[in-house]
Amino acid sequence: AQKVTQAQTEISVVEKEDVTLDCVYETRDTTYYLFWYKQPPSGELVFLIRRNSFDEQNEISGRYSWNFQKSTSSFNFTITASQVVDSAVYFCALSEPAPGGGTSYGKLTFGQGTILTVHP
Amino acid sequence: NAGVTQTPKFQVLKTGQSMTLQCAQDMNHEYMSWYRQDPGMGLRLIHYSVGAGITDQGEVPNGYNVSRSTTEDFPLRLLSAAPSQTSVYFCASSYSPRGTQYFGPGTRLTVL
Repeated sequence: AQKVTQAQTEISVVEKEDVTLDCVYETRDTTYYLFWYKQPPSGELVFLIRRNSFDEQNEISGRYSWNFQKSTSSFNFTITASQVVDSAVYFCALSEPAPGGGTSYGKLTFGQGTILTVHP
Repeated sequence: NAGVTQTPKFQVLKTGQSMTLQCAQDMNHEYMSWYRQDPGMGLRLIHYSVGAGITDQGEVPNGYNVSRSTTEDFPLRLLSAAPSQTSVYFCASSYSPRGTQYFGPGTRLTVL
């Protein structure tokens, strides 16, 4: 079965600190997609990044960066110089293959989320 | 583009009542889905649709019904509400099943 583990339940940092959110996944799929979503206190789910299993290049977007390591089944997310507005719950998610094969199944398996609090 | 919209934002029901949660998207996405978010359980897939006229069950479909008569709309019906259905419901859409799924703002449902 697919599984996503975010071992850090809560992280608390002071503004301007760097913080890394860990994500470890398990899948039987050879082609899969990984995602990060942000859920701010207002409750909506905001898409941050999508990565396919064949692309192991790290990605940087402003203060955000992602480290994908297939060898350790990890897809970690780092926020550099954190800000109070980064306070949110962050979810890592994995696309899951259809139980019987096929391409019409788009279930996302989510981790439990990491609550990040950035203090001023 | 409004993206994915959901109504209502909040709803309180009594046990046994029925209601429909509305979801619409204006991105011409073929794939749409419903998730529920519960504390400690993460998000779980209820039903999904790969296009108009085609729906299928997800992980936790019991007590819910869906239909997809148009590409834009994917309503979720609660047939007879139970307290166990108290949750936050998210609708999502994507261009393809394994594409990026964009979520609506959610509906917070309380069943008394």
